[in-house]
Amino acid sequence: GAGVSQTPSNKVTEKGKYVELRCDPISGHTALYWYRQSLGQGPEFLIYFQGTGAADDSGLPNDRFFAVRPEGSVSTLKIQRTERGDSAVYLCASSLAGYSEAFFGQGTRLTVV
Amino acid sequence: QKEVEQNSGPLSVPEGAIASLNCTYSDRGSQSFFWYRQYSGKSPELIMFIYSNGDKEDGRFTAQLNKASQYVSLLIRDSQPSDSATYLCAVSRDDKIIFGKGTRLHILP
Repeated sequence: GAGVSQTPSNKVTEKGKYVELRCDPISGHTALYWYRQSLGQGPEFLIYFQGTGAADDSGLPNDRFFAVRPEGSVSTLKIQRTERGDSAVYLCASSLAGYSEAFFGQGTRLTVV
Repeated sequence: QKEVEQNSGPLSVPEGAIASLNCTYSDRGSQSFFWYRQYSGKSPELIMFIYSNGDKEDGRFTAQLNKASQYVSLLIRDSQPSDSATYLCAVSRDDKIIFGKGTRLHILP
């Protein structure tokens, strides 16, 4: 596709369950970012990939959060034992290179009940 | 000190006037600077990026960067009601992009 694609667009899960959020970046973009955004806040950095490797995962809040990008394209953000505080919009962005402008997908709204 | 700081607003500007949005950042090694616009319920949309000191103009938008003062601004000329949104300042160092909380802009018809 022409833009960054995120699936699902909405996810409702029960507390304690495991969820996976998927991001398909713009073709040819080597850099991929995950952010989390709560109402009234700016996007909060979670993790940045350059190619297949996580170049910076300093924003992951705890070890329940994990992300992969095995082939340097699609990325999956995985959250174990979800908590109500994990409810937010999870945004993915990609850029041609790490220093260049990033373009966002439409986000996944995660609700933990 | 937060890495990227913005006044949360709301900033109210009459239609047709110039809207001025400001942002400061704490890391002197920051290399790239971006402005995104975000409508309610939508994802951020890139509107401007700037890498060098000075001004960069694109249509009704001008981005200004002063690295010595660690200050970035966005000017919107001839403000339109469709410019009403939250404007996010973002700063990149070593390829990690950090966002401010955003400034809510309201254009008064």
